[in-house]
Amino acid sequence: DIQMTQSPSTLSASVGDRVTITCRASQSISSWLAWYQQKPGKAPKLLIYKASSLESGVPSRFSGSGSGTEFTLTISSLQPDDSATYYCQQYNSYLLTFGGGTKVEIK
Amino acid sequence: EVQLVQSGAEVKKPGESLKISCKGSGYNFTNYWIGWVRQMPGKGLEWMGIVYPGDSDTRYSPSFQGQVTISADKSISTAYLQWSSLKASDTAMYYCARHGVGDRSFFDYWGQGTLVTVSS
Repeated sequence: DIQMTQSPSTLSASVGDRVTITCRASQSISSWLAWYQQKPGKAPKLLIYKASSLESGVPSRFSGSGSGTEFTLTISSLQPDDSATYYCQQYNSYLLTFGGGTKVEIK
Repeated sequence: EVQLVQSGAEVKKPGESLKISCKGSGYNFTNYWIGWVRQMPGKGLEWMGIVYPGDSDTRYSPSFQGQVTISADKSISTAYLQWSSLKASDTAMYYCARHGVGDRSFFDYWGQGTLVTVSS
């Protein structure tokens, strides 16, 4: 199985800050990476696919980059509504795997 | 509008069987995989497996192979996740999600989740 490691596990930032979350794959997954946002008590929501493609309707302050084994999700200007847990997921093989999640808190 | 609607919360005893469902609408149900994802209390997301309703092809995570059965009935646009003998450790929220094909092999639409509680 391909293992996905996210860092940090938790981060606290202020409204307006630039926030970056990292996701590392245990082997190359090309650009086959998605990012999801999950708020408490809700289902996950797709934000980014193919490492850097923004899903329709997702605010442009979210962006993704990377390829191979290292990827980042960036929120350019953190908003109160962005308080959530973020997960990366590889889909290079049919055995999909998620990262452990990064909880983003607003200071 | 694409929708995945899951069956309601369940409370079961250890050793009991259970089948939960996920009904798709607003798209051609037979053309997309449906996946199941477990989220244990306070924990992250775990991919369990997927089913292709068009031909019932099924793939499982090694962690869940033999522990659950994933199936689909294309005639009623519904996918299922079932257990033959529940354990307390099966207590979790279970989500179904639509999974595309080719370079869209990620989860683009999700159900609302089904909470399964297993307790004596």
